[in-house]
Amino acid sequence: DAGVTQSPTHLIKTRGQQVTLRCSPISGHKSVSWYQQVLGQGPQFIFQYYEKEERGRGNFPDRFSARQFPNYSSELNVNALLLGDSALYLCASSLAALNEQFFGPGTRLTVL
Amino acid sequence: DAKTTQPPSMDCAEGRAANLPCNHSTISGNEYVYWYRQIHSQGPQYIIHGLKNNETNEMASLIITEDRKSSTLILPHATLRDTAVYYCIVRVATGANNLFFGTGTRLTVIP
Repeated sequence: DAGVTQSPTHLIKTRGQQVTLRCSPISGHKSVSWYQQVLGQGPQFIFQYYEKEERGRGNFPDRFSARQFPNYSSELNVNALLLGDSALYLCASSLAALNEQFFGPGTRLTVL
Repeated sequence: DAKTTQPPSMDCAEGRAANLPCNHSTISGNEYVYWYRQIHSQGPQYIIHGLKNNETNEMASLIITEDRKSSTLILPHATLRDTAVYYCIVRVATGANNLFFGTGTRLTVIP
């Protein structure tokens, strides 16, 4: 069985641009969560979606948005990029809303 | 969710048991203890979780004290591939499935 997949693996953007990151959950998993991991720190929760509904949101500005599609895949959008948005963005899927999460390899975003 | 305290780093000899402590003195009755690890440049990997009973799976054992204020993750025979940052997380079983990752313990397995 394929694990959680994320695309792209690496991305370079400039300040002010917009970015879309994609995540495909493990087959059968209906919940997707997004995390941001800045170098040297643990991952920080951004969003959780379950059955296409937002279930939780972390302490991130409105520049960050996400959605989940009928096939349970998900996109994370970040507008008006700042240098501080440079990080590893992790997607995790779980069978249902509160089960243990399985993480993808992440997308490394660099903002110049 | 309750916060956790872990030592920043530990070393363990290859083949020996690695015992990683975690303090969660403010844990509530409905909060679970989860352990994840993150090998360099990879996504975190789920290891084990428990509420109050000790738990064991193919990867590790989780020992939770009777008062639930601390726990220990045990890797019975550490290998070089177990070198990683280990995160102890306390999470309530309701609401959003958000995991609060602290700074974790960097475990280095030494040949």
